[in-house]
Amino acid sequence: GAGVSQSPRYKVAKRGQDVALRCDPISGHVSLFWYQQALGQGPEFLTYFQNEAQLDKSGLPSDRFFAERPEGSVSTLKIQRTQQEDSAVYLCASSAARGETYNEQFFGPGTRLTVL
Amino acid sequence: LAKTTQPISMDSYEGQEVNITCSHNNIATNDYITWYQQFPSQGPRFIIQGYKTKVTNEVASLFIPADRKSSTLSLPRVSLSDTAVYYCLVGGSGGGADGLTFGKGTHLIIQP
Repeated sequence: GAGVSQSPRYKVAKRGQDVALRCDPISGHVSLFWYQQALGQGPEFLTYFQNEAQLDKSGLPSDRFFAERPEGSVSTLKIQRTQQEDSAVYLCASSAARGETYNEQFFGPGTRLTVL
Repeated sequence: LAKTTQPISMDSYEGQEVNITCSHNNIATNDYITWYQQFPSQGPRFIIQGYKTKVTNEVASLFIPADRKSSTLSLPRVSLSDTAVYYCLVGGSGGGADGLTFGKGTHLIIQP
């Protein structure tokens, strides 16, 4: 796999359910980013990891959102007690750069979450 | 946090050169300017990045005036497949998320 992969590609959840979204970054990439993209809007930053360390989580909209990257590679974004306003595409990106977040990011195809 | 302003949409025709301008009046000294392209149902894709003057790659050119308060993405001889949303981002030199604001982007529509 040469690129960033995300699973599942589509997820339908009932309001109140917990969901877990997975991101497999490009092998060896140090930095990993999560974004939320609502319909018709640009991606909005959620959180950022450098290896296993979560350096910035300022974009997480509430304490129902939690992200981890325990071994510095695969990352999981978890949303607890999903609400309808959580419906969006969740994008993951990785970068070879360490520290400089302006460097080129490689994005996955996203997971489209629909909360009913 | 540098804020960017781009046109919401633009139209052009195949074979034309398209220029999309982004305003960033409060760009910081160490900030970079980065452009991404996004097709429907895909994640954004990096196009080009620059700090000052002109940068050119196989896909596009980026023109940045001396005051760096704006930048222009130039796409030569566009085709139908260039129809996409284009985002201008400014920042990132300080680490963290300061350069990761995509905004609403510019919807570019190329007609035959």
